[in-house]
Amino acid sequence: DAKTTQPNSMESNEEEPVHLPCNHSTISGTDYIHWYRQLPSQGPEYVIHGLTSNVNNRMASLAIAEDRKSSTLILHRATLRDAAVYYCILRSGAGGTSYGKLTFGQGTILTVHP
Amino acid sequence: GAGVSQSPSNKVTEKGKDVELRCDPISGHTALYWYRQSLGQGLEFLIYFQGNSAPDKSGLPSDRFSAERTGGSVSTLTIQRTQQEDSAVYLCASRITGTTYNEQFFGPGTRLTVL
Repeated sequence: DAKTTQPNSMESNEEEPVHLPCNHSTISGTDYIHWYRQLPSQGPEYVIHGLTSNVNNRMASLAIAEDRKSSTLILHRATLRDAAVYYCILRSGAGGTSYGKLTFGQGTILTVHP
Repeated sequence: GAGVSQSPSNKVTEKGKDVELRCDPISGHTALYWYRQSLGQGLEFLIYFQGNSAPDKSGLPSDRFSAERTGGSVSTLTIQRTQQEDSAVYLCASRITGTTYNEQFFGPGTRLTVL
C-alpha cells in the first residue's frame, strides 16, 4: 500500500478553520484518498474521500493537489467535538481480494481549544 | 437505523483462556472487516470477509486467531490461549459492496484485557 505522511499533532481554536495536511507522494492512479477520524473511546468514522477533484460534504472539504501527491482536509469551523485523531488513508480502487481494506497510519491528533 | 454493534463492550480474561468477540454488521453489508488497536498503536487490519468467505486473512497475527461469519451477517473473532499481548480494542467494520461508495462503518469496539 502507498504510504501517507501526516503531522503528529495540530492545534486549533474553536470556530476557526483547520487545515490538516497529508503527503502521499507514491500514490498510484487508482488510489482513492480517504479521511477517517476517531473520537476518544470510539471507533473510526468516515469523513470524506476523493480521487482527483476537490470534494465537499457536510463535515469537511478535501482539497487534492493537481499532481495528487498531497491533500488537505479542511474543517471550516472547528468545534470542540472535532477533537479527534484524523487519519489520511490511500485505498486502492484496483479491486482484488483486499478491495476496501484500510491501512491506518498514526494520524494527526487534533486539539481544539475553547 | 442500527449501526454496527459489537459485544461484549469489555472483556477481561486470564492468560491462557479462550475468548469470543462478536460483531453484528449493518444489515445488507456484505463486506466485513476486523481490526485491532493496541495501546498507543494505530489500527491494524486482521481479516476481511466478503459474504461468508474470508479472501484476506493476512492480518491475523498467529494461528491462535480465527474468525468466521455465518449467514452473511454475524461474525465471531476467536482468540485461543490468550496472551497479554492480545490486550487491545478489537474493532469491526462493515461496508456495502457493488457500488462506488465505499465508506466503512465501524462499531464501538470490544476492549480485551488479558491478565
